[in-house]
Amino acid sequence: DTAVSQTPKYLVTQMGNDKSIKCEQNLGHDTMYWYKQDSKKFLKIMFSYNNKELIINETVPNRFSPKSPDKAHLNLHINSLELGDSAVYFCASSQMGGVYEQYFGPGTRLTVT
Amino acid sequence: AQSVTQLDSHVSVSEGTPVLLRCNYSSSYSPSLFWYVQHPNKGLQLLLKYTSAATLVKGINGFEAEFKKSETSFHLTKPSAHMSDAAEYFCVVSLANFGNEKLTFGTGTRLTIIP
Repeated sequence: DTAVSQTPKYLVTQMGNDKSIKCEQNLGHDTMYWYKQDSKKFLKIMFSYNNKELIINETVPNRFSPKSPDKAHLNLHINSLELGDSAVYFCASSQMGGVYEQYFGPGTRLTVT
Repeated sequence: AQSVTQLDSHVSVSEGTPVLLRCNYSSSYSPSLFWYVQHPNKGLQLLLKYTSAATLVKGINGFEAEFKKSETSFHLTKPSAHMSDAAEYFCVVSLANFGNEKLTFGTGTRLTIIP
């Protein structure tokens, strides 16, 4: 049973296109996150949602729009893709409150050409 | 503000020898600290975490880390390296944000194991 799953695993697209990445967790967690890992392996948080409510919104272009239809899902939609958006995007989830482990998905490698 | 500095971008050790991955942190408050591991083309997995309890923390796969407040360090060690330990390791500091964890990652240390 996969705890945190992401689709697709690989995404290759052209500049200017709009694409979505889906994330689902079956751990019963209240909080979900999106991270971006660049080509130098640096990981940075983008967003977090708690019970479908946006909690953390780092300095991210508004071309990126997260959507949480329910607390088990957090999707990431990206408009007008740019070359600099090429990266690996990780979804994660955790329980709310205190210091709990974040469980990460396998990642989605986005390549913009 | 909080940050972590991983002092080595790449560490190579021979199989069976000790591993030391160094991490220094900066935090305005008592931090929670983690080590995560990322194997090639995989997601991240928690190795261990420090949350103001015992300063010596034991994790999975024989790894442990010691929180030293006076040195603002949280170095990761393992007595004997195994080939399967080859991976990228991230030191992470956490700042609770209204009940949600905001993790700040270090730049990573790539561990290579020499047969």
